[in-house]
Amino acid sequence: GEDVEQSLFLSVREGDSSVINCTYTDSSSTYLYWYKQEPGAGLQLLTYIFSNMDMKQDQRLTVLLNKKDKHLSLRIADTQTGDSAIYFCAETRGTASKLTFGTGTRLQVTL
Amino acid sequence: GAVVSQHPSWVICKSGTSVKIECRSLDFQATTMFWYRQFPKQSLMLMATSNEGSKATYEQGVEKDKFLINHASLTLSTLTVTSAHPEDSSFYICSARGFVGTGEPGNTIYFGEGSWLTVV
Repeated sequence: GEDVEQSLFLSVREGDSSVINCTYTDSSSTYLYWYKQEPGAGLQLLTYIFSNMDMKQDQRLTVLLNKKDKHLSLRIADTQTGDSAIYFCAETRGTASKLTFGTGTRLQVTL
Repeated sequence: GAVVSQHPSWVICKSGTSVKIECRSLDFQATTMFWYRQFPKQSLMLMATSNEGSKATYEQGVEKDKFLINHASLTLSTLTVTSAHPEDSSFYICSARGFVGTGEPGNTIYFGEGSWLTVV
């Protein structure tokens, strides 16, 4: 079945870049997403990438996709304290498929 | 702004009673909605997939008679936890698949703010 893995924790200093990694096993994934969850809140869609792309940039966010290695990463430039949250990657196969979530990475931003 | 709204955000109920949580898509029609449960410091666990006008599809291990899901319209799905017990206390999150016209894929899934259920 599908499996999506993330490292559990990342700590960075304010102003540095953060890189959150994700690996998945389903080679038929067509859409990959990054969601942010702040404490006690729902998930906020940050960005997405199609499987036929290898990079997407959106302001401070850069998504890199290595389809051969089934590796997805999210880079946050100039990380701020407000970026502290749990970040989930997720993949889906198509218009009718459910999302499969990663385990989540807790990002801690220190001063 | 939010595109999926959940209500209530917090609810406390007595053991043995039932509680209903609503999930509404705002400004878009959601033919499919999903209900998740999240335990502290864990990822989301999909409970069921709800399609408008048809019965929900439950994930393995989820009791359909305990977690009643109704998706009566294209903008509203409800989750009713029947005969709630303390072990049902959790964070419940809904999501809706739809197109809100901001350039994202048409099957993008948007999440509600979540509902904290405490059963005492």
